[in-house]
Amino acid sequence: GAGVSQSPSNKVTEKGKDVELRCDPISGHTALYWYRQRLGQGLEFLIYFQGNSAPDKSGLPSDRFSAERTGESVSTLTIQRTQQEDSAVYLCASSLVGSRYEQYFGPGTRLTVT
Amino acid sequence: SQQGEEDPQALSIQEGENATMNCSYKTSINNLQWYRQNSGRGLVHLILIRSNEREKHSGRLRVTLDTSKKSSSLLITASRAADTASYFCATDNGANSKLTFGKGITLSVRP
Repeated sequence: GAGVSQSPSNKVTEKGKDVELRCDPISGHTALYWYRQRLGQGLEFLIYFQGNSAPDKSGLPSDRFSAERTGESVSTLTIQRTQQEDSAVYLCASSLVGSRYEQYFGPGTRLTVT
Repeated sequence: SQQGEEDPQALSIQEGENATMNCSYKTSINNLQWYRQNSGRGLVHLILIRSNEREKHSGRLRVTLDTSKKSSSLLITASRAADTASYFCATDNGANSKLTFGKGITLSVRP
């Protein structure tokens, strides 16, 4: 079946502009995660959605970052007033019922802020 | 603070040799998972080992878990050039239903 998809695959934006990144999880996966990965670094947790529960936003680095998820489907990560330090690959993953199960990752969106 | 920390940070071996990568963590866990990442894109799940398991095999992969030492190792036997990638361990401590990833190990397998 279809895996996790993300769009766009690459995004170049000017400093100060807003960007919106999209993630389509695997159908039936109630858990959805966003991570940020800077060049040569590990994964930095951003936000976690689980079903209809309140999302875990503990990893969002500033109030410029926000995310939404409609039910158990698509999620969007929005970065307002982008800064150069926001340049990174943004990865989305989905899984069944939280971390007891493996996570399936999308290919990521490479964001470059000039 | 980082929960899972892998070592070494980088490993270079000859094709056919075995590669051993280690992961240490700080708090008790429900399970530990290993992932592979090629070319800085999406991660691929390799294997999951639960806290009550000590060893698991999957093809050329062997994972061990020592909860008393809070450590895990990933062994890739008879390595191939295609195994060249970054490898991450991730831990689930059950408190907040999310995984915590380490910084990763860069494995290079020379043909």
